[in-house]
Amino acid sequence: DAKTTQPNSMESNEEEPVHLPCNHSTISGTDYIHWYRQLPSQGPEYVIHGLTSNVNNRMASLAIAEDRKSSTLILHRATLRDAAVYYCILRDGGDGQNFVFGPGTRLSVLP
Amino acid sequence: NAGVMQNPRHLVRRRGQEARLRCSPMKGHSHVYWYRQLPEEGLKFMVYLQKENIIDESGMPKERFSAEFPKEGPSILRIQQVVRGDSAAYFCASSPGKRGTEAFFGQGTRLTVV
Repeated sequence: DAKTTQPNSMESNEEEPVHLPCNHSTISGTDYIHWYRQLPSQGPEYVIHGLTSNVNNRMASLAIAEDRKSSTLILHRATLRDAAVYYCILRDGGDGQNFVFGPGTRLSVLP
Repeated sequence: NAGVMQNPRHLVRRRGQEARLRCSPMKGHSHVYWYRQLPEEGLKFMVYLQKENIIDESGMPKERFSAEFPKEGPSILRIQQVVRGDSAAYFCASSPGKRGTEAFFGQGTRLTVV
């Protein structure tokens, strides 16, 4: 799995948008970009994933750069419940590929 | 559709005993992944299994740890002769295995070795 780079921590104010960046300059053409988050004392939770086009779901949006060497997870209105560690993962779409987690970004949401 | 089920949620073992952690994947999922998380640390990949096959065990310690995913029943992570350093949260995830699909995680088993 190719490597990703994320800031160690970020802060946001409640009800404001949050943009969580991820760099993956060595991404290959078949790598999907996955985002997961882990709330305190819970298992990781799937957030969103995409290949080339921007993606939206009920939790977040994923903006993928045109050259695919970076992406941004967008939480449109942060709530206190969004405080978690956010992981950006590259995973080849082929068989036999596991999910390798880096240290992620610890997001703090201030009331 | 129930999520990924792990049991027990909490497990206490004395040093030298065996620990068995169970993971029932989501319905229709044939791929299972196991991870370990030490207190205040990140998720470390351990093993990736498909039904009856180990695909990648590069993260498994060479001794005392084993995993299986039989044709019928849950995936089992077995730790023999547990030591205090095995105390951690163990998470499993499952996916359909199809190209580009996501994985879903269970709530974990918290193993405490006393």
